[in-house]
Amino acid sequence: DGGITQSPKYLFRKEGQNVTLSCEQNLNHDAMYWYRQDPGQGLRLIYYSQIVNDFQKGDIAEGYSVSREKKESFPLTVTSAQKNPTAFYLCASSITWRDQPQHFGDGTRLSIL
Amino acid sequence: GENVEQHPSTLSVQEGDSAVIKCTYSDSASNYFPWYKQELGKRPQLIIDIRSNVGEKKDQRIAVTLNKTAKHFSLHITETQPEDSAVYFCAGGYDKVIFGPGTSLSVIP
Repeated sequence: DGGITQSPKYLFRKEGQNVTLSCEQNLNHDAMYWYRQDPGQGLRLIYYSQIVNDFQKGDIAEGYSVSREKKESFPLTVTSAQKNPTAFYLCASSITWRDQPQHFGDGTRLSIL
Repeated sequence: GENVEQHPSTLSVQEGDSAVIKCTYSDSASNYFPWYKQELGKRPQLIIDIRSNVGEKKDQRIAVTLNKTAKHFSLHITETQPEDSAVYFCAGGYDKVIFGPGTSLSVIP
């Protein structure tokens, strides 16, 4: 069954710690995205990748990093430089990066210990 | 910069009534306008989309209209049901997808 898998579902971060959120897709999509969603808010774009080995900053990239070494994988690292990381993180993919519907994962909820 | 505005932020309707959500966008190069539904604690899911070469699209109780000249598009839900209660997001943009802030729809039985 094709789709996007995010793990873990819940994650806790200690002060000064980097954590990595996993996103895997088996839809053979070229483009992948990371969004941050705060309570009662919309989706804000953190990073996006149009194709493997390429990625661009979105609107709120500070304190985050990504890699796209494989087509199916787009992990997001929340670094210690992100001072307010508590949020719901959503990964998405689309066939191409423009003018196509996005398919979302179930999300990872990150909290600070 | 590019922007997508969405109104209203909250909407309550009686079961069986219609609901309308409106969005405006700033980038005139935008060609694709999807709508997503997000139930509490779940992933957003595409419910309908429209491209700039058509003015209206319908799928059962859901329809979307697009006015490229005025740069706005709307979601129409007829004969609303309690399971329509959710947050709805519109989106647009050319170089990257920009989501509207969302509309929380409550359908009262």
